[in-house]
This record gives sequence, C-alpha cells and structure tokens, in this order.
Amino acid sequence: GQQVMQIPQYQHVQEGEDFTTYCNSSTTLSNIQWYKQRPGGHPVFLIQLVKSGEVKKQKRLTFQFGEAKKNSSLHITATQTTDVGTYFCAGREDNYGQNFVFGPGTRLSVLP
Amino acid sequence: KAGVTQTPRYLIKTRGQQVTLSCSPISGHRSVSWYQQTPGQGLQFLFEYFSETQRNKGNFPGRFSGRQFSNSRSEMNVSTLELGDSALYLCASSLSPGGLTDTQYFGPGTRLTVL
Repeated sequence: GQQVMQIPQYQHVQEGEDFTTYCNSSTTLSNIQWYKQRPGGHPVFLIQLVKSGEVKKQKRLTFQFGEAKKNSSLHITATQTTDVGTYFCAGREDNYGQNFVFGPGTRLSVLP
Repeated sequence: KAGVTQTPRYLIKTRGQQVTLSCSPISGHRSVSWYQQTPGQGLQFLFEYFSETQRNKGNFPGRFSGRQFSNSRSEMNVSTLELGDSALYLCASSLSPGGLTDTQYFGPGTRLTVL
C-alpha cells in the first residue's frame, strides 16, 4: 500500500535560521496537504497542493509539490518560536477512492 | 462557523470494556474521517465516511467500527478495549472527498486511556 515518509524526524534550529522538511510518497498523489500540530493540540490545515510543480507561499512558509507528484517540501524562512510544532504531510493517491495517508511528521524545535 | 467538535474530550476505561466516541463536523461538511494518533505510530487512518457510507477503512481490527448519521455526525466504537488502544482519536471533516473540497479540519480529539 501507499507509504508516506518525511525527513528529518526532528529538527532543532536557532531562532532566525531556516527550516525545511521533505515528504516522499511511494505512489503518485492526486493532492498533498500540510498540517501543523502544536504540542498538546490537534493538526491544523496549512495548505493543499494539487498541480504538478506547484509552489505556494504563505508569509515565511513556502510549499512545493514535485513534478512527478510524489514528493513535496515545506520551507520556513527565518524561524520564530511560534513555528514550534510537528509538521505533517498527508497525501491521497491518484485515485479519489483512496484515503489520506499521513507522514510521520517532522518535529521542529526553535531555540530563542 | 463552529469547528469540529468531539465528545468526550477525555475518557478512562478498563480492558475489555467498550467505548463510543462522537464527532460533529463543521456545518455543511459531509465527509468525516477518523484517525488514531499515538507517539509511536503517528496518525493512522481508521475510517472515512461520506453521506452515511463508509468509503474507506484502515488496517484496524474489527473491534473498531463506525457510522455516520444523516446529519453527518459520526460515531466510532471500540469494543473489547486493549491497553494498546490508548491514544488520541481525532476526527476530521471536509466538504467532500477528492479535489479542492478535500481540506480536512480536525477536531480537538478524544484522549482515551485504557487501564
């Protein structure tokens, strides 16, 4: 079945440094979503990417969807302590009959 | 618009008991998915319902079941609880599965502890 992997598992950065997490699917995706979960909270939707090669920006966050629609990345510029949390990607296979599969997440720590 | 609500928020049960968790999606959303989150396994998909029909089921034993009502509210049931069922159970709603209406909005979760 479909597998979604994320690297790194953990990332510790100094405030102001950049951060990138990568998401890779074993199968082609119809779309990919990114979520952020703060400690003790629930996943909160950040963005959805649908088109091959798509790039979307939200302030300091840049999201990319690979040309083959099998990988994606989230880049945060100049991290802040408010960026602390676990970032998950979730992909649905190129078949609307399939469910979303979540990656294991990347836990980001930001040192002030 | 009110968000996704889940009840109860916390639950303590003993092995062998059964439990029912409830999820009320955002008004107008017809798709509800359930996930189990544990520190070791991450977010694992349980079920997805759309218009009262189960569209997908994850790789969980038959002790886990669910349903969706005509008002889109959903319940999941776990029978014969085991220690390993201790987890955060998250419900997510979306307008409909597939495409641009696929954005999932998560509820706060039900924290289940099995003793």
